[in-house]
Amino acid sequence: ETGVTQSPTHLIKTRGQQVTLRCSSQSGHNTVSWYQQALGQGPQFIFQYYREEENGRGNFPPRFSGLQFPNYSSELNVNALELDDSALYLCASSSGTSGGADTQYFGPGTRLTVL
Amino acid sequence: DAKTTQPTSMDCAEGRAANLPCNHSTISGNEYVYWYRQIHSQGPQYIIHGLKNNETNEMASLIITEDRKSSTLILPHATLRDTAVYYCIVRVDGYGQNFVFGPGTRLSVLP
Repeated sequence: ETGVTQSPTHLIKTRGQQVTLRCSSQSGHNTVSWYQQALGQGPQFIFQYYREEENGRGNFPPRFSGLQFPNYSSELNVNALELDDSALYLCASSSGTSGGADTQYFGPGTRLTVL
Repeated sequence: DAKTTQPTSMDCAEGRAANLPCNHSTISGNEYVYWYRQIHSQGPQYIIHGLKNNETNEMASLIITEDRKSSTLILPHATLRDTAVYYCIVRVDGYGQNFVFGPGTRLSVLP
């Protein structure tokens, strides 16, 4: 069973640029959630995708957008990058079921630095 | 905002049990208690979760008080590799429910 994978591992961009981060969900999982983790803080929820539709969003501006593909992999896109977007971006997948079984499993993250 | 409070940091001697407390006094009847840990900027690692009953797996035990207002994560024989930030989270069951992380407890296992 393959776990959650993310690419790239590290990324350096300049202010105003656009970035795309990628996530492959764990086998058998149809739900992907994205989180942003600034240095020294806990992860903050960005949004979730379930069967290719956005299924919940945190307090992030519209320049943060996403996609989920038929194979349940996902992309996070950030436009007009700002210095404060520098963070570890985490993807988590889950099976999308209820009954206490919807545990999220996290990938290793993508470290984004905006200069 | 996170619905849990945890100590900022704790130390534990290697080989001893690490007992990490968590207060969740406003927990609702349909909210589970989850524990994750994060080792030095890696992705958070799932440890255990429970609703009412105590739970045990190969990593840890979770003790939930009868009134469900607090819980304790127990690592029975802490090793240096257990040094990490531990997050206690309460979350409603079901898909579409995200995790709200607080600052967690930084556990240092000392040789």
